[in-house]
Amino acid sequence: GAGVSQSPSNKVTEKGKDVELRCDPISGHTALYWYRQSLGQGLEFLIYFQGNSAPDKSGLPSDRFSAERTGGSVSTLTIQRTQQEDSAVYLCASSPSWKGYTFGSGTRLTVV
Amino acid sequence: GEDVEQSLFLSVREGDSSVINCTYTDSSSTYLYWYKQEPGAGLQLLTYIFSNMDMKQDQRLTVLLNKKDKHLSLRIADTQTGDSAIYFCAERIPGGTSYGKLTFGQGTILTVHP
Repeated sequence: GAGVSQSPSNKVTEKGKDVELRCDPISGHTALYWYRQSLGQGLEFLIYFQGNSAPDKSGLPSDRFSAERTGGSVSTLTIQRTQQEDSAVYLCASSPSWKGYTFGSGTRLTVV
Repeated sequence: GEDVEQSLFLSVREGDSSVINCTYTDSSSTYLYWYKQEPGAGLQLLTYIFSNMDMKQDQRLTVLLNKKDKHLSLRIADTQTGDSAIYFCAERIPGGTSYGKLTFGQGTILTVHP
């Protein structure tokens, strides 16, 4: 596609429920990244996929968070047993090389 | 270690120049980036500079890099109200054969007054 597409754009969930966030990167971009942006905070790195290499999961805050990337394209970030502190905007980005990322518009997650 | 710092707020008058500053700690950074985020939107890449350069100019934007002091700045000439946004500095540290990931600063909120 023309840009990085994320869905849903907004998600409200009850505490304790699981959520799945989807990212559709730009076609041909080999690298895909997930970041989290909390109110008043910068961007917190979560996880990074590049090609067929093992993902860099060093930023995942707990074992409730996981992500996969199927077929080198679409990625899903799953948060199990959501907590209120998980409320944030989850941003996905893709990149063809070193030239910087292209970001999606994000999914705003609110845990009530 | 990876740490990128920016001042949180900058306020300027329309038509003046804005200078947003950033410091980073990792000397192995290869590329440094400036991103802009408008309210309710994702991040938009403004410009980037390779670590062996000390200056890059792109229309109203000038990036200065002082590698010795690990200091990066973004100058916006003739600042307009449409430039009001959050500006993020980011560094890329290579990850072996991979592209590596970007580490972002906290962002500088630029407010432009008419």
